[in-house]
Amino acid sequence: GAGVSQTPSNKVTEKGKYVELRCDPISGHTALYWYRQSLGQGPEFLIYFQGTGAADDSGLPNDRFFAVRPEGSVSTLKIQRTERGDSAVYLCASSVLAGAYEQYFGPGTRLTVT
Amino acid sequence: SQQGEEDPQALSIQEGENATMNCSYKTSINNLQWYRQNSGRGLVHLILIRSNEREKHSGRLRVTLDTSKKSSSLLITASRAADTASYFCAYDRGSTLGRLYFGRGTQLTVWP
Repeated sequence: GAGVSQTPSNKVTEKGKYVELRCDPISGHTALYWYRQSLGQGPEFLIYFQGTGAADDSGLPNDRFFAVRPEGSVSTLKIQRTERGDSAVYLCASSVLAGAYEQYFGPGTRLTVT
Repeated sequence: SQQGEEDPQALSIQEGENATMNCSYKTSINNLQWYRQNSGRGLVHLILIRSNEREKHSGRLRVTLDTSKKSSSLLITASRAADTASYFCAYDRGSTLGRLYFGRGTQLTVWP
């Protein structure tokens, strides 16, 4: 079946602009995760949803970052007033349930803030 | 911040040799997962091992977990050039259900 998909695959934006990154999880997966990965580093957790609600948003770096999952499927990560330090690959993953289940990752969105 | 530590940071071997990568962590865990990543994009799930398991196999992959030493290892037997990638361990801490903590990874290069 289809895996996790993310759009766009690449996004270049100017400092100060607003961006939205989309994630479409594996059908039937109730848990959805966002991670961010900088060059040479492992992924760092941002937020995860169990259903429609954010179960843990403690990884969001500041209030410029926000994510929604209004119908419990597709999720959008929103970044306001982008900064050059936001440049990274944003990865989305999903799992059957949160907890001791495999997380399956999408191909990521490479965000570049100029 | 990175929570796990993979060792070595880089590993270079010839095709046909075995590759062993290690991972250490500092807290109690529910489970530990190993991933492969090519070219800095999506991660491919390899194996999940639960805290009450000691060893799991999948094809040419063997993962061990020693909770007393807070460490895990990934063994790739009879390596191939196509195994060239970065390998990450990630664990789910008991106190923070769901989120995974990743290390910086091991860059494996397999020469034909």
